[in-house]
Amino acid sequence: EIVLTQSPDFQSVTPKEKVTITCRASQSIGTSLHWYQQKPDQSPKLLIKYVSQSISGVPSRFSGSGSGTDFTLTINGLEAEDAAAYYCHQSSRLPATFGQGTKVEIK
Amino acid sequence: EVQLVESGGGLVQPGGSLRLSCAVSGFTFNNFEMNWVRQAPGKGLEWLSYITASGITMYYADSVKGRFTISRDNPKNSLFLQMNSLRAEDTAVYYCARSYWGTFDIWGQGTLVTVSS
Repeated sequence: EIVLTQSPDFQSVTPKEKVTITCRASQSIGTSLHWYQQKPDQSPKLLIKYVSQSISGVPSRFSGSGSGTDFTLTINGLEAEDAAAYYCHQSSRLPATFGQGTKVEIK
Repeated sequence: EVQLVESGGGLVQPGGSLRLSCAVSGFTFNNFEMNWVRQAPGKGLEWLSYITASGITMYYADSVKGRFTISRDNPKNSLFLQMNSLRAEDTAVYYCARSYWGTFDIWGQGTLVTVSS
């Protein structure tokens, strides 16, 4: 199975700051990497697909980059509503796997 | 409005069984592959099972293979997860999620399963 390792596990950030979350795959997954946001007591929501493709309705401050084994989710100008857990997910091969999650807290 | 609504969760004893349902509306159900994903309390997301649009092919995570069975009723716009031989470590919120070009683009609100004596 492909293991996805996110870093950091937790980040406390001041509003308007830039947030960077990384996701490393245990083997190459090309661009089959997606990001989800899960706010407290809510179900996950698709944020970015295939590394960097935007999703309708998602603010433009969210962006992604990377390929192969190393990927990054960037939030440019954190807002209070962005307090959430963020998960990467690979669809390159079954079983589908997720990173362990990164919790972003607003200072 | 596209909607997935899970039901069927609850408290069950170790070794027991439970059948989860996911009622779908707002899109043509028989055009989409579907999944079950769970989240243990305070933990991350774990993919469990996938079923093709036709219902012919299914895949499972090793953690549930042989104990859980995914199925669907396309005319009734419903997805199911039959869970047998439940263990304490199966305690989690269970989500149904639609597949779309490799992503899980739509999620239900989840249903809580608690396995405890």
